[in-house]
Amino acid sequence: AQSVTQLGSHVSVSEGALVLLRCNYSSSVPPYLFWYVQYPNQGLQLLLKYTSAATLVKGINGFEAEFKKSETSFHLTKPSAHMSDAAEYFCAVTSDTGRRALTFGSGTRLQVQP
Amino acid sequence: EAGVTQFPSHSVIEKGQTVTLRCDPISGHDNLYWYRRVMGKEIKFLLHFVKESKQDESGMPNNRFLAERTGGTYSTLKVQPAELEDSGVYFCASSQLDTSSGNTIYFGEGSWLTVV
Repeated sequence: AQSVTQLGSHVSVSEGALVLLRCNYSSSVPPYLFWYVQYPNQGLQLLLKYTSAATLVKGINGFEAEFKKSETSFHLTKPSAHMSDAAEYFCAVTSDTGRRALTFGSGTRLQVQP
Repeated sequence: EAGVTQFPSHSVIEKGQTVTLRCDPISGHDNLYWYRRVMGKEIKFLLHFVKESKQDESGMPNNRFLAERTGGTYSTLKVQPAELEDSGVYFCASSQLDTSSGNTIYFGEGSWLTVV
């Protein structure tokens, strides 16, 4: 069985500040990891994914995440927050992107203060 | 290329009525998934089709939910009769079957269901 824990259901940062959203996973097999973002009243959009290639993954909108096996973590970061980053962010894991469903974390709502 | 499309985008129905949600996956994607997010809760897996076959339906909450994927193309998810606790967002996702390159799983915009 796999699971994802996202620490902090709400995170608030100032515009221009570092964004750090935490994700820890549990998996008995090598995982595939994803970050999705949901803007208000919109669907889920893929930010980035880890598929066992480079451990530092760069995504859209200036986001990146680093896979750390020893810490079972896949934290999402962005050096400088923008007002448009305000959204809900979901970390997800699967053991097989071709044949298995995703298991999601509970989500982190990011608020960006002016 | 068209993404995953879902219909309707929003639906408000009364308790006891029936609602049918439709999902059109990306062309060529054999995997089709349904997920649900009840207000304030996690996004939960409902079921997984590979082509027209149900690969995993362990997440279906009860027998009021029926999913079909005729011909391995679009899928429908019917809720009959709807209950208040069925309110939430129903997401559909699709991906290719090949695992060689770490597939991306694409999501639709969701169908927002409100049962009153």
